[in-house]
Order: sequence, then structure tokens, then C-alpha cells
Amino acid sequence: QVQLVQSGAEVKKPGASVKVSCKASGYTFTSYGISWVRQAPGQGLEWMGWISAYNGNTNYAQKLQGRVTMTTDTSTSTAYMELRSLRSDDTAVYYCARANWVAATNFDYWGQGTLITVSS
Amino acid sequence: EIVLTQSPGTLSLSPGERATLSCRASQSVSSSYLAWYQQKPGQAPRLLIYGASNRATGIPDRFSGSGSGTDFTLTISRLEPEDFAVYYCQQYGSSPFFGPGTKVDIK
Repeated sequence: QVQLVQSGAEVKKPGASVKVSCKASGYTFTSYGISWVRQAPGQGLEWMGWISAYNGNTNYAQKLQGRVTMTTDTSTSTAYMELRSLRSDDTAVYYCARANWVAATNFDYWGQGTLITVSS
Repeated sequence: EIVLTQSPGTLSLSPGERATLSCRASQSVSSSYLAWYQQKPGQAPRLLIYGASNRATGIPDRFSGSGSGTDFTLTISRLEPEDFAVYYCQQYGSSPFFGPGTKVDIK
């Protein structure tokens, strides 16, 4: 069965960076893409960006351009999302989700979420 | 960017009742690029509907999606206890965006 398993919760100080991993199993990793979506406490869903596991193409939300980098390691079927220059309003649960390999589309399988807390 | 508006913000209904949730886009969305998700507290979202009207794998047929252009609807024909949750619409053109959500709670 398709599974996306994310790394554990982290606490970071303002200005630091965080890198979240998302290990995929149960499907051919390079036949799909991975999107990252975050949810601040009590808030809605915010799409952060997408990476094709097929060819490494990326598409980032304009709001996060320059602060976020998404990568994949096809040898381990793992996707990564790095967010730099963290601020308090980056505190959120971060989800990875499976998407189309060509573009960010609908997301049919999701990871369990990773809570990132930014606090001094 | 296409902005999505969902209404109502909260829908209070009883089990067995019909729920009708609205999603309106600021400009026309291809029907192929409109999805609905369900999210329960402490859980990741779950894909319900894609392409405006196609049920995702394993989704009961009490869930249905319809609409085109700028107006889309998610209908739950008879609410089951497990259906009380928050529902988000999403458009996935060049850059995906989610609506703010509709909470369906127990009356």
C-alpha cells in the first residue's frame, strides 16, 4: 500500500533552517511528484511547492521563493523540503503529498505531518 | 492567482441530513483541476473528489461533486457520524490553492 512517512517534530530558533524528509513506499517513486503543504495552528491548508521525482523539476509558491528548496533522492525514494530563515509564522504542521509527475495536481496520498515549531 | 471562496464557513447539521458545500473561484477553473478534501482533527487531509466530480479510491458514493467554471459543489447525501469534519476545495492550475474550508459540525 502507498505510504508516505515523514520525519519527526522539530523546534527551531528564528533565523534557523529546517529540513523535513518524506519516505515513500508502495509505488514507483519516479512515476509521481511530491507536493508540500503546511497548516498553521487552527488555520487552513497552504500549498508550498512541488517537485517531480521523475526529472527533478520544481514549482514553488511565490510567497516562499528564495526560502524553500525541495529535493528528492530516488535511491531511497525520499523527498526533502528545506525551509530557511525561519520565522515564528512558519510554525505549522508540514505535510508531504503524492502528486502527478508532470505538475502539481490533486494529492491522493499524504504523509502523517511534521510539526515544526519556531520559537526563541 | 485564482482565489477560492467557500461557503458557508460552518454548516451545522444532524446525521442523516444532506450537506451542500459551495466553492467559488475568482476566475474560471477547468473542471479537470478542482478537488475536494476532508480533514479531521489531528489527521492529514484525505482526497475525496478530483476533476470536480470523480470520487477518489475508496470514497463512499454518498459523496458527490459537481460544477464548472467558477462554481463548484460538494454534496454529502446523508451525513454519517464520521463525516463531521472540515472540507477544503482546491484548484490545481499552474499553482495549486486551497479554499479556506467549510466545517461541518453536529447540530
